[in-house]
Amino acid sequence: QSVLTQPPSVSAAPGQKVTISCSGSSSNIGNNYVSWYQQLPGTAPKLLIYDNNKRPSGIPDRFSGSKSGTSATLGITGLQTGDEADYYCGTWDSSLRVFGGGTKLTVL
Amino acid sequence: QVQLQESGPGLVKPSETLSLTCTVSGGSISSYYWSWIRQPPGKGLEWIGYIYYSGSTNYNPSLKSRVTISVDTSKNQFSLKLSSVTAADTAVYYCARDEPIRGVMDWGQGTLVTVSS
Repeated sequence: QSVLTQPPSVSAAPGQKVTISCSGSSSNIGNNYVSWYQQLPGTAPKLLIYDNNKRPSGIPDRFSGSKSGTSATLGITGLQTGDEADYYCGTWDSSLRVFGGGTKLTVL
Repeated sequence: QVQLQESGPGLVKPSETLSLTCTVSGGSISSYYWSWIRQPPGKGLEWIGYIYYSGSTNYNPSLKSRVTISVDTSKNQFSLKLSSVTAADTAVYYCARDEPIRGVMDWGQGTLVTVSS
């Protein structure tokens, strides 16, 4: 049981937009930055978003992050088949790094 | 962006100690935090703990009694020891450069450790 709650799966067609939610509480998301990670099949996770909405260099602006209260959202526009992956949110909770359970994105 | 590479045995017997080393290249291990994160097959991510280059540590309470993370700045390496392992410790283990509060910035490729007799 993860501290952060994500939908197990989402899907959308190529070229469309999708959002992935991450729900927490005041002890984690409510008082800390949120980060997002992409894990392509068989590979290590990669940082997509940090500080709620900042993108590391090399991450396209198709990926965006936002936070409101105790929830956060990852948005992906212009979906590509190469975006099929597991996506994880992460933050801190009582000096402990925590992750969501992950969301599998299927690009139909 | 630094590169990280995990190394260590891929098979550990139950009740023994799992030992892994992470070698950092393309940058100095100094001035950063360094984490271990694991992922059981088909499951999500679990943070094990981190070490600052100075040696201060922070561990996941669920594993704290069995975990030791150490750093060797002269070799640009940091290490994980997990004692009294069981099958539940079977996972891909990742080492990573961490910026607490902000995010896990760089990840190693991961190494699968299986606990089995």
